[in-house]
Amino acid sequence: EAGVAQSPRYKIIEKRQSVAFWCNPISGHATLYWYQQILGQGPKLLIQFQNNGVVDDSQLPKDRFSAERLKGVDSTLKIQPAKLEDSAVYLCASSPLGGSYNEQFFGPGTRLTVL
Amino acid sequence: GESVGLHLPTLSVQEGDNSIINCAYSNSASDYFIWYKQESGKGPQFIIDIRSNMDKRQGQRVTVLLNKTVKHLSLQIAATQPGDSAVYFCAENHSNDYKLSFGAGTTVTVRA
Repeated sequence: EAGVAQSPRYKIIEKRQSVAFWCNPISGHATLYWYQQILGQGPKLLIQFQNNGVVDDSQLPKDRFSAERLKGVDSTLKIQPAKLEDSAVYLCASSPLGGSYNEQFFGPGTRLTVL
Repeated sequence: GESVGLHLPTLSVQEGDNSIINCAYSNSASDYFIWYKQESGKGPQFIIDIRSNMDKRQGQRVTVLLNKTVKHLSLQIAATQPGDSAVYFCAENHSNDYKLSFGAGTTVTVRA
């Protein structure tokens, strides 16, 4: 079974530029999560989708971050404009509907550096 | 702020010894406590979870202990191997929102 795919793996941008990350979850997983992991810290949930609907986006900085999962499969997370403090690894995870919310399957992440 | 945290940021263990990774939490309303392992350059990987009404759960080479009296969680790894070198995170889950809250992590290094 293929795991969660993310691209790009690395991205370097200047502050105030825009950036987008892509995630393709495990086939059949209805729930998709985006996390931000700052160096030395645990992942922090940004947004959770179930199919193409948003379940929780309470920790998403909506003035600059946006995410979509239009067809209920793959998802895109965008930052516009980026700030220095956005430098982090952005992790995508998925889980099956009816499965344990405790076991989420993570992709390798996209490491973003904002200069 | 975070409601789970770890006692020590690093742990060095001799190969073959048992490892004990500790975590303190402050939210008594959590329904589950979970351990994840993150190897360098990879996303976190689920290890084991324990429901709040239990005090011990065993998996393959791992045991999680929960002490609700002192709000303490630990992960024991038996016969630690080089492949166990990673950052270990404890997390909590409230069943009313199913959102995982992760602590800061402990880096485990296995010495040959």
